[in-house]
Amino acid sequence: NAGVTQTPKFRILKIGQSMTLQCTQDMNHNYMYWYRQDPGMGLKLIYYSVGAGITDKGEVPNGYNVSRSTTEDFPLRLELAAPSQTSVYFCASSFRGKNTGELFFGEGSRLTVL
Amino acid sequence: DQQVKQNSPSLSVQEGRISILNCDYTNSMFDYFLWYKKYPAEGPTFLISISSIKDKNEDGRFTVFLNKSAKHLSLHIVPSQPGDSAVYFCAARGIGSGNTGKLIFGQGTTLQVKP
Repeated sequence: NAGVTQTPKFRILKIGQSMTLQCTQDMNHNYMYWYRQDPGMGLKLIYYSVGAGITDKGEVPNGYNVSRSTTEDFPLRLELAAPSQTSVYFCASSFRGKNTGELFFGEGSRLTVL
Repeated sequence: DQQVKQNSPSLSVQEGRISILNCDYTNSMFDYFLWYKKYPAEGPTFLISISSIKDKNEDGRFTVFLNKSAKHLSLHIVPSQPGDSAVYFCAARGIGSGNTGKLIFGQGTTLQVKP
């Protein structure tokens, strides 16, 4: 199993550009998440999904959109990129029956908006 | 409002000694607490967890202690090894979040274990 795979690993955007961060998992997990990590701020939840066709906002959803058309894929869309979206983005997944709350993370996507 | 706080940004210990990483929380409505370890340029990886109905959980060199009255948990690493040098995140799952799995993370503590 590859686990959680994110692409691209690095990207530089200009202000106002748009892009999609891809995330796919091969563990048949029901739940998927997008977090962002800023220096000294920990990880903040952007959006999450409890299954295909179901998504909901996290703590910091502004400027982002998501979709979940399949169990495996959970892309994150950035519209009109702003410098405040410079961050490292992590996709994660978990299995609904896993009562200990463990999430499995991808390696991250580092985004810089100039 | 930071519900999960790690007030020490960094910690340095000597190899073979004990490392103690601390975490405080403000919300009593958490049912699970977790510790994650993160190396540079990698995603966080799960280390150990504890249910809110317990006060201790042990896994090899790693032990997590939960003090509910103080709303405090700590991760003990004994003995510390240079390979333990990483950023450690404390996380908590809200009661009722079991059907979404959402976690709230602390800011992280960078542990350096010196040979």
